[in-house]
Amino acid sequence: RKEVEQDPGPFNVPEGATVAFNCTYSNSASQSFFWYRQDCRKEPKLLMSVYSSGNEDGRFTAQLNRASQYISLLIRDSKLSDSATYLCVVEDNYGQNFVFGPGTRLSVLP
Amino acid sequence: EAQVTQNPRYLITVTGKKLTVTCSQNMNHEYMSWYRQDPGLGLRQIYYSMNVEVTDKGDVPEGYKVSRKEKRNFPLILESPSPNQTSLYFCASSSNGQGDQPQHFGDGTRLSIL
Repeated sequence: RKEVEQDPGPFNVPEGATVAFNCTYSNSASQSFFWYRQDCRKEPKLLMSVYSSGNEDGRFTAQLNRASQYISLLIRDSKLSDSATYLCVVEDNYGQNFVFGPGTRLSVLP
Repeated sequence: EAQVTQNPRYLITVTGKKLTVTCSQNMNHEYMSWYRQDPGLGLRQIYYSMNVEVTDKGDVPEGYKVSRKEKRNFPLILESPSPNQTSLYFCASSSNGQGDQPQHFGDGTRLSIL
């Protein structure tokens, strides 16, 4: 089983749609979780950290379910500029190893 | 401006010719790391460093070396590059090694080994 798995995608959605990405991780001892976005041929950039209580940043909401070892990202009112690959990142081993999921590609269509 | 700088951005070279990809950060970060990204495989960690003179293997260290003589620099060395090391490489840093801080990435280096 892969350490971090994500929805295979791609997701093609119209502007204004709400889209949800899911991520599961295998190491129950993982402590920190992040969502990054990566545009084609560019470096990954932090979108948001994921906190136990869940957190929201504008149109983006992240949730963590430790019992199910599951992380989600919800994007509301999607924009064309949201088109990118979304990477789920899980920290293992007290920051000594960051494991990236394979990513889920989103295309927001006009 | 806070940043992670990699050089070169692009390199085409031949099998067996030693090369070094430099990485420098100006944020006084303790933790630095190298990744490679390949289609269908995502980002995989090559080596990481918790601080000066402290380095450790990631998931795919074979064929690579690193050093951390200064806090700001973390070069990636390919002593004898082979075609299977053709990839997109990213250097990243974060403020500490506790895992609760996100990583900042360089722009990437696209290596082609012929």
